[in-house]
This record gives sequence, C-alpha cells and structure tokens, in this order.
Amino acid sequence: DAKTTQPPSMDCAEGRAANLPCNHSTISGNEYVYWYRQIHSQGPQYIIHGLKNNETNEMASLIITEDRKSSTLILPHATLRDTAVYYCIVRVPNDYKLSFGAGTTVTVRA
Amino acid sequence: EAGVAQSPRYKIIEKRQSVAFWCNPISGHATLYWYQQILGQGPKLLIQFQNNGVVDDSQLPKDRFSAERLKGVDSTLKIQPAKLEDSAVYLCASSATLGERDSYEQYFGPGTRLTVT
Repeated sequence: DAKTTQPPSMDCAEGRAANLPCNHSTISGNEYVYWYRQIHSQGPQYIIHGLKNNETNEMASLIITEDRKSSTLILPHATLRDTAVYYCIVRVPNDYKLSFGAGTTVTVRA
Repeated sequence: EAGVAQSPRYKIIEKRQSVAFWCNPISGHATLYWYQQILGQGPKLLIQFQNNGVVDDSQLPKDRFSAERLKGVDSTLKIQPAKLEDSAVYLCASSATLGERDSYEQYFGPGTRLTVT
C-alpha cells in the first residue's frame, strides 16, 4: 500500500471549515483514499473514501487532486465533537487491510 | 443496527498472566479483525478472519497471541503469557463481504484497554 503523510496536529475554530491535508505521492492507479477518525476512547470511525472524483457525504467532503498525489478532507462546519485523530489511508478495494499511520490530531476550539 | 461489542472494556493484569478478550461483530458481517493500538500510534492489524477462517495473521505474535472464531461469529483474542509491551488498546472491527453494500467500511468496537504491570 502507498504511504501517506499528514501533519501531526492542527487547530480549528468551532463553526469554521477544517481542511485536513494528506500527501500520497506514491499512490497507484487502483488505490482508493480513505479517511477515518478516532474520537478519544472510541474505535476508529469511517468518514469517506474516493478514487479520483471529489466525494461528499453528510460528514465531510473529500477533494482529490487531479494527479491523485494529495487530497484534502473538509469538515464544513467543525464542532467540538469533531475533535479527534484523523487518519488518511490508501488501499486497493480488494485488500481489506487498513494500514493506519499516526494521523492528524485535530482540536476544535470554542 | 447494533455495533461491534467488546468486553471487557478495561483489564489490568501482571506480566506473565494470561488474558482473553471477546468480540461480537455486527450481525451478518463475514469479516472480523483484531487490531492493537499502542498509546500515541495508529491501530495495527493483528489478525483478520473471513467467516471462521484466517485470512491474514502475519502481524500476530504467535508465540503468545492466539485468536479464534469457531462459529464464524464471535471471536476471542488471547494473550499468554502477557508482557509489559502488550499494554495497549485491543480493537475489534467487522465488515461485510466484498461486493456487498458498504463492504469497504470497517466498523470498530470501543476496544479493550489492557494494562500489564
């Protein structure tokens, strides 16, 4: 699986958009980009995934660059409950394995 | 829909003792995973089951860790004997079979926090 690079931490103001970057410069053509988050004392939670088109669901939006070497997870209106560690993972669809890195610790401040 | 259940939530044991963790996946999910998460790190896959068969156990320390999923539903992870470095959160996750709706999404339980003293 391609490796990902994420900033170790970032702060965000409540009510503002949070933009979480992820670099995956060695991603291969059939690998998807997945985002999970882990709130303190809970298991990781799936957020969103995509291949090359931008994706949006009720939780977030995923923007993937045209060359697919990086992506951004957007939390449109961050709340205190969005404080968590966010993991960017790339994998092929028929490989169930999720290889978690250290992720980005996002702190939403009032 | 009920989530992934795990027990116990917390366990404290002395080194060289044994311990077992239990997981009940989401109903109908064929694939079950056990992860180890050391403080400050992301989860690391220990073992993956498809129904009651092992798909991947390459990261499982087989000299002390064992896992089973006898009837293709519940699973148990055991450590015997425990070492100090086994202190971690043990997460169980499940997913549906590839090809079914939401098959790529893994659902995680709350984890069991193990402290080895």
